[in-house]
Amino acid sequence: EDQVTQSPEALRLQEGESSSLNCSYTVSGLRGLFWYRQDPGKGPEFLFTLYSAGEEKEKERLKATLTKKESFLHITAPKPEDSATYLCAVSSAGGTSYGKLTFGQGTILTVHP
Amino acid sequence: ETGVTQTPRHLVMGMTNKKSLKCEQHLGHNAMYWYKQSAKKPLELMFVYNFKEQTENNSVPSRFSPECPNSSHLFLHLHTLQPEDSALYLCASSHNRVNQPQHFGDGTRLSIL
Repeated sequence: EDQVTQSPEALRLQEGESSSLNCSYTVSGLRGLFWYRQDPGKGPEFLFTLYSAGEEKEKERLKATLTKKESFLHITAPKPEDSATYLCAVSSAGGTSYGKLTFGQGTILTVHP
Repeated sequence: ETGVTQTPRHLVMGMTNKKSLKCEQHLGHNAMYWYKQSAKKPLELMFVYNFKEQTENNSVPSRFSPECPNSSHLFLHLHTLQPEDSALYLCASSHNRVNQPQHFGDGTRLSIL
């Protein structure tokens, strides 16, 4: 059974204070690792897909990296508008249904001005 | 309209009522999903449809009944719900390949009295 664990559960940063969120996973054949951002009262918004160890993706102040056991979401010089819950999910070769994502419980990021 | 649209955004119902949630996607995808999001728990996959055919039922109680008349529309029919069914119900869609990201609507916030 696929498992995804995110840490920390909550992270409070000052504006401009860079940090990283962690997503550890256990899967039977990774097909893709996905990062989402979720604002209160909204659905998850897709950010990145990573497919293989060593891959990196960037978007504005966010950079996602992937190893064989975990993924990091690095936030450089965050702003208050980066405050949100960040979700990690995996799709694997195992299981009975393609397209089945297993999600972590999320990291709640708060950036103070 | 673009993206994934869910209606209604909020729903309050009694345990003996029957109601339906609606989801429509304008992304040209052919796979659609229902998820349940409860406080402090990871997103739980409920159902997967691929080209209108159900390919996954994640041990969901029969009081939840999905319907997918075409690749753009998805419904979740509700009847005789329990208080523990109160949650945010999210719809998502994707291309029908295992490594493609899913795109979410903003959900229906369901409260069972």
